[in-house]
Amino acid sequence: GNSVTQMEGPVTLSEEAFLTINCTYTATGYPSLFWYVQYPGEGLQLLLKATKADDKGSNKGFEATYRKETTSFHLEKGSVQVSDSAVYFCARDSSYKLIFGSGTRLLVRP
Amino acid sequence: SQTIHQWPATLVQPVGSPLSLECTVEGTSNPNLYWYRQAAGRGLQLLFYSVGIGQISSEVPQNLSASRPQDRQFILSSKKLLLSDSGFYLCAWSVQGLEQYFGPGTRLTVT
Repeated sequence: GNSVTQMEGPVTLSEEAFLTINCTYTATGYPSLFWYVQYPGEGLQLLLKATKADDKGSNKGFEATYRKETTSFHLEKGSVQVSDSAVYFCARDSSYKLIFGSGTRLLVRP
Repeated sequence: SQTIHQWPATLVQPVGSPLSLECTVEGTSNPNLYWYRQAAGRGLQLLFYSVGIGQISSEVPQNLSASRPQDRQFILSSKKLLLSDSGFYLCAWSVQGLEQYFGPGTRLTVT
């Protein structure tokens, strides 16, 4: 079936470090792919998306490229800030629904 | 612009009591609507979704139910809460089944 797999957290980085959070999806059809961010006590916010192969989604310094050949959509940021500390969810669409990964907690230390 | 509201923001209820959580969306018509539950430190579990008034699809059998009495209103209910119903409940909307936009959530504690 359709699924999304994310790297286990927590990921702990120092401020200004490079971030990668891995995400892979099952290759049923050609889904749209998404990254969401959840700050403590809040709902999820759409961070970026890509709707077809080789598309790059970007927002707030975060980027992710839709790689059909590796069925991946890894999230990257060149220089993280303390304010980026949150839980990040990768997702793919599937018949009116979104299939979410289990989430990766990021902790950025000053 | 579109906005989504959920209330209450927090709720503490005893075991066996009823539950009603409400979600409303403004600024869009005929949205798809979704209810999720998030246990502490865990991922998202899709509970119900609706593609139109009176149309409810259940993803997980449990003691919860959902209703959509109006186009932009989605209600999550229970007749008798269990301890395991505690969690963070999120409502979301989408158009044409693409990206979803989430509300602020309701923190439910069953005691």
